[in-house]
Amino acid sequence: GESVGLHLPTLSVQEGDNSIINCAYSNSASDYFIWYKQESGKGPQFIIDIRSNMDKRQGQRVTVLLNKTVKHLSLQIAATQPGDSAVYFCAENRLGDYKLSFGAGTTVTVRA
Amino acid sequence: DAGITQSPRHKVTETGTPVTLRCHQTENHRYMYWYRQDPGHGLRLIHYSYGVKDTDKGEVSDGYSVSRSKTEDFLLTLESATSSQTSVYFCATFGTENTGELFFGEGSRLTVL
Repeated sequence: GESVGLHLPTLSVQEGDNSIINCAYSNSASDYFIWYKQESGKGPQFIIDIRSNMDKRQGQRVTVLLNKTVKHLSLQIAATQPGDSAVYFCAENRLGDYKLSFGAGTTVTVRA
Repeated sequence: DAGITQSPRHKVTETGTPVTLRCHQTENHRYMYWYRQDPGHGLRLIHYSYGVKDTDKGEVSDGYSVSRSKTEDFLLTLESATSSQTSVYFCATFGTENTGELFFGEGSRLTVL
């Protein structure tokens, strides 16, 4: 089936810098793209999503960009903090499907 | 927080034994899911349910069965556990249908020796 993947398995970032986590997807029929954060020993938590008819959406310190031309999704975290250290997953969903497909995840480590 | 409770949180068992993992939710959500998480594979869907007694297979359903006799409970059963089923299992529900916001439980770590 269609799959969602992340470009890099790990990312090391200096505290205070901006982080960019990338994801490539293959299903052009997806309606929603979502980012999840998973801290050690916990379940994933929803961060932000974006509909396929948008190219940018901002949240608190996070921005998601969607480029449908090249099927690319990115999550930008501003002023990265130690609490941002986690595994980040992208996922995609199609309306009426109710089954999310997840990428393998990017582990973000914040250096003090 | 969608009030999702998984049990047991940790279990060690032997190959060939049956195992049942329980997911309980308090928000009356219609959709419930079981995922497994393994290094390098992210989250893979095992089975899901779209209502009481209504279930369907995910991408890695072989060796697993599920049941949903009540809205609040979704059970995952390994009839005869194998070492390849050693994993962390997550239950999830859809907070708002037709978006991407899944709520996850804290996970159940299963080790099959």
